[in-house]
Amino acid sequence: QEQLVESGGGVVQPGRSLRLSCAASGFTFSTYAMHWVRQAPGKGLEWVAVISNDGSNKYYADSVKGRFTISRDNSKNTLSLQMNSLRVEDTAVYYCASDGCVGVSCYSFIYWGQGTLVTVSS
Amino acid sequence: DIQMTQSPSSLSASVGDRVTITCRASQSIDYHLNWYQQQPGKAPKLLIYAASSLRSGVPSRFSGSGSGTDFTLTMSSLQPEDFATYYCQQSYSAPLTFGGGTKVEIK
Repeated sequence: QEQLVESGGGVVQPGRSLRLSCAASGFTFSTYAMHWVRQAPGKGLEWVAVISNDGSNKYYADSVKGRFTISRDNSKNTLSLQMNSLRVEDTAVYYCASDGCVGVSCYSFIYWGQGTLVTVSS
Repeated sequence: DIQMTQSPSSLSASVGDRVTITCRASQSIDYHLNWYQQQPGKAPKLLIYAASSLRSGVPSRFSGSGSGTDFTLTMSSLQPEDFATYYCQQSYSAPLTFGGGTKVEIK
């Protein structure tokens, strides 16, 4: 059964850094592009970043470009999100999600983790 | 960036009702439109992809239609477990964007 488990969330001060991880199991991780999607408390969904199945291509939302870095380790079936220069407005539940298509991304989200809460506050 | 506008933002309905949610894109996205359901405190779940394709395991009372800029999600006979928030999402181009959501509540 496909499973994604996020970790690394917590409370951090503005300007500091945090690294999120996502452990995948139950599917062939290396054949899927992977995404991070976030949801601020009581708000809608916001796509954050995508990485291709081989890690060669990455795209980011303008709101995080230059501050966040997505990466993956296919040997360990893990996805990461390095978040630097955090802002209060980055406060959200962060979900990792697998793309809906094998190989080339079709930009849908088929498997989701349970989410990890990041709170940026002084 | 492609803007996605959902309507209504919320609605009240009864079990057994037929419910339709609309999603409009700010430019043509062909059929690159997906629908998700989110229960409170849970991760979203993919229901419909490519505008009208039902994901395996999703009940057939859910259906999607549309192309270009206008899309709809229809629930033919609302069930108790369908009371949730629904989001559309364009998969035409990055940055990927979601509609603001439609909360379906019990009347």
